[in-house]
Amino acid sequence: KAGVTQTPRYLIKTRGQQVTLSCSPISGHRSVSWYQQTPGQGLQFLFEYFSETQRNKGNFPGRFSGRQFSNSRSEMNVSTLELGDSALYLCASSLDGGSVGATQYFGPGTRLLVL
Amino acid sequence: SQQGEEDPQALSIQEGENATMNCSYKTSINNLQWYRQNSGRGLVHLILIRSNEREKHSGRLRVTLDTSKKSSSLLITASRAADTASYFCATALTGDSGGYNKLIFGAGTRLAVHP
Repeated sequence: KAGVTQTPRYLIKTRGQQVTLSCSPISGHRSVSWYQQTPGQGLQFLFEYFSETQRNKGNFPGRFSGRQFSNSRSEMNVSTLELGDSALYLCASSLDGGSVGATQYFGPGTRLLVL
Repeated sequence: SQQGEEDPQALSIQEGENATMNCSYKTSINNLQWYRQNSGRGLVHLILIRSNEREKHSGRLRVTLDTSKKSSSLLITASRAADTASYFCATALTGDSGGYNKLIFGAGTRLAVHP
């Protein structure tokens, strides 16, 4: 099976712009989670989607949003970009069986630089 | 805030030596997972240990979990240069703080294995 794919891999934006990142999970995986990784804050959970519904959300401002499509593909959007949004954004999928803490399969990430 | 604290922050050893990394967490968990990350790329799942398990093995990896001390350790035996990476523990929490596939990551340990 193909792994988790994320597009684009690299992105440069300026402050105030918005950005959309895309994630395609492993075939058959219905849960998609997003994480932000920065040198200062480490890996932080953004949100999780399952069956097109946001099931869990981390402590991020409303500028961060996401959605999931019927084919389980997911997008996340960041509006009004700030310098501090520069980070590696990681998407992970899992074969959700309704339990807590399933093994996550991560994509390669999208590296976002905000100038 | 991050759930897990890992130590050491960095570890440098020679090939063939064993590497031990420790992780502590603060609240009740459903399970604890270890992931590896090479050079700012995506994370790779290594091993999952449930809260009712004390020890688990996978190849050269040995993970222990002590829920009374809220701590876990990852032992890599007979290290190889290819093991050079950052290692993260991640906890799946119980109760309102957690749920489903929300993982809380530690700050990670950077392991360097020298030939």
